[in-house]
Amino acid sequence: NAGVTQTPKFQVLKTGQSMTLQCAQDMNHNSMYWYRQDPGMGLRLIYYSASEGTTDKGEVPNGYNVSRLNKREFSLRLESAAPSQTSVYFCASSANLRGGTDTQYFGPGTRLTVL
Amino acid sequence: QKEVEQDPGPLSVPEGAIVSLNCTYSNSAFQYFMWYRQYSRKGPELLMYTYSSGNKEDGRFTAQVDKSSKYISLFIRDSQPSDSATYLCAMTRGVTGGGNKLTFGTGTQLKVEL
Repeated sequence: NAGVTQTPKFQVLKTGQSMTLQCAQDMNHNSMYWYRQDPGMGLRLIYYSASEGTTDKGEVPNGYNVSRLNKREFSLRLESAAPSQTSVYFCASSANLRGGTDTQYFGPGTRLTVL
Repeated sequence: QKEVEQDPGPLSVPEGAIVSLNCTYSNSAFQYFMWYRQYSRKGPELLMYTYSSGNKEDGRFTAQVDKSSKYISLFIRDSQPSDSATYLCAMTRGVTGGGNKLTFGTGTQLKVEL
């Protein structure tokens, strides 16, 4: 049981290049999330998928796209990377069962630098 | 003004000290309050959660919520060097059909020294 896995762990891009960050979970969770973490800004939600087949914008969606490929996988794409997208990216998942709290489990993160 | 405010620290304490970490918030709709711990270069992991007002204890950790003051706290007793990490508060209205969006504080960096 690996939990939430992310690839790659590190990436350096040049301005204008594109890339896709991959995330997979093996907990049969319904919901998946992408966050970015920057010094002094905390964790900010980029996009989320409440259930397979749906995606919605979070707090900071500009410059990103997502795909919920199936129940296990949720990818984040940068079409034309900018230095402002230098950050640590975390994927998370949760069961999303009505009627209570909903623990989010995080992956180990991807450190992205855009030159 | 941010919805959730958290002192970023860093906070440095001697081993064995009692640590108090705090967050304030402005959205009265928040019902669930969480504390995540994040070690350096790792993902956040859930430490504790509390529903509505009250206290919750788990070993050396106690979480308190005062909804009337919109103030939450995490206390760590007998702090250990292994407690050195960044602690993030998070809160939410609860699970809805549209997913469960958490609002995070910026995190407080804690160092427990020998």
